[in-house]
Amino acid sequence: DAGVIQSPRHEVTEMGQEVTLRCKPISGHDYLFWYRQTMMRGLELLIYFNNNVPIDDSGMPEDRFSAKMPNASFSTLKIQPSEPRDSAVYFCASSFSGTVGGNSPLHFGNGTRLTVT
Amino acid sequence: DQQVKQNSPSLSVQEGRISILNCDYTNSMFDYFLWYKKYPAEGPTFLISISSIKDKNEDGRFTVFLNKSAKHLSLHIVPSQPGDSAVYFCAANGQGGSEKLVFGKGTKLTVNP
Repeated sequence: DAGVIQSPRHEVTEMGQEVTLRCKPISGHDYLFWYRQTMMRGLELLIYFNNNVPIDDSGMPEDRFSAKMPNASFSTLKIQPSEPRDSAVYFCASSFSGTVGGNSPLHFGNGTRLTVT
Repeated sequence: DQQVKQNSPSLSVQEGRISILNCDYTNSMFDYFLWYKKYPAEGPTFLISISSIKDKNEDGRFTVFLNKSAKHLSLHIVPSQPGDSAVYFCAANGQGGSEKLVFGKGTKLTVNP
């Protein structure tokens, strides 16, 4: 199993540009999560999906952020327009339902480091 | 409002000694508590978890202790090894068995040879 795959690993863009981050979850996992890591706020949950349906997007900071999961093997997080304060590492994670407290909870990708200048 | 708090940003210990990482939480409805380890340029990886109905869980060199009355948990690493140097995140699942995890800000552990 290749694990959770995120692309790109690094993204540098100018303020005002659109940014799209991509994620391929582990096959068979029915939950997908988008987290953002910053020095100030640590790891914060942005949105999560269950069976491709958004369940909780209360962590999405603004309307500039949107996420989709068109099928079980692909999700995107889009920022339009991007701002310097969006600079952070964005992680995608997936899990199989009922395992959060067991031996196989969230599996994270290696993240996308976003820099907005 | 941070529900999971790790008040020590960093910790340094000697190889072979015990490392103790601490975590406090505010929500008494959490069902599970987890520790994740993160190396630079990688995503967090699961280390160990504990159910709210237990007070201790052990896995090799790693032991997690839960004190519900104090809303406090700790991770003990004995003996510490240089390869344990990483950022450790404490996490708890949302109340009611929710699948989403709430994380602390992390503690950077450095184990010196």
